[in-house]
Amino acid sequence: SQQGEEDPQALSIQEGENATMNCSYKTSINNLQWYRQNSGRGLVHLILIRSNEREKHSGRLRVTLDTSKKSSSLLITASRAADTASYFCATGHDYKLSFGAGTTVTVRA
Amino acid sequence: DTEVTQTPKHLVMGMTNKKSLKCEQHMGHRAMYWYKQKAKKPPELMFVYSYEKLSINESVPSRFSPECPNSSLLNLHLHALQPEDSALYLCATMTAQESNTEAFFGQGTRLTVV
Repeated sequence: SQQGEEDPQALSIQEGENATMNCSYKTSINNLQWYRQNSGRGLVHLILIRSNEREKHSGRLRVTLDTSKKSSSLLITASRAADTASYFCATGHDYKLSFGAGTTVTVRA
Repeated sequence: DTEVTQTPKHLVMGMTNKKSLKCEQHMGHRAMYWYKQKAKKPPELMFVYSYEKLSINESVPSRFSPECPNSSLLNLHLHALQPEDSALYLCATMTAQESNTEAFFGQGTRLTVV
């Protein structure tokens, strides 16, 4: 079942710019994860942030989590053409991993 | 080995056919998942196996029948499917269902029902 909303639904940016996408969720969570999917293939795990963490970094990725607002954001800095993909947030609740609607990011060269 | 291998990559089947999707992992993960993904939509959970036992069935129609013969293999048996069942079917694994850690996904099987 779909956990929540992501916005924007689609994002088009120039190479080198930053991309920010947001995720809202409905239930209490143990952690929130972000995944990338290229062209309808398998999903690749990017980063996991636990419910007691507020911010996490991994390379060019920065994730924030606000449990009071039930929301998270993913920032990709200095984007590259290879970052073109769909990005999904996912939450673990009741031993299920449920995905948000996703943001499609296009990075123009 | 952090791979989850799904076969076949593509499958076209008629509505009266019986076919199976396969998923294999050798990471020692004890939770295995089937997801269905329609175009431009997020993956939707179908089934979860935990320690080779069916843990979650998200009210999936009986024309989809999962099977976990051992800790490395997960099958999805298909019978009498409808055209609306055409989708990308994704297998995923996790250390354990209760671990709530990262999931590893296979590349999926693109299923077309004609």
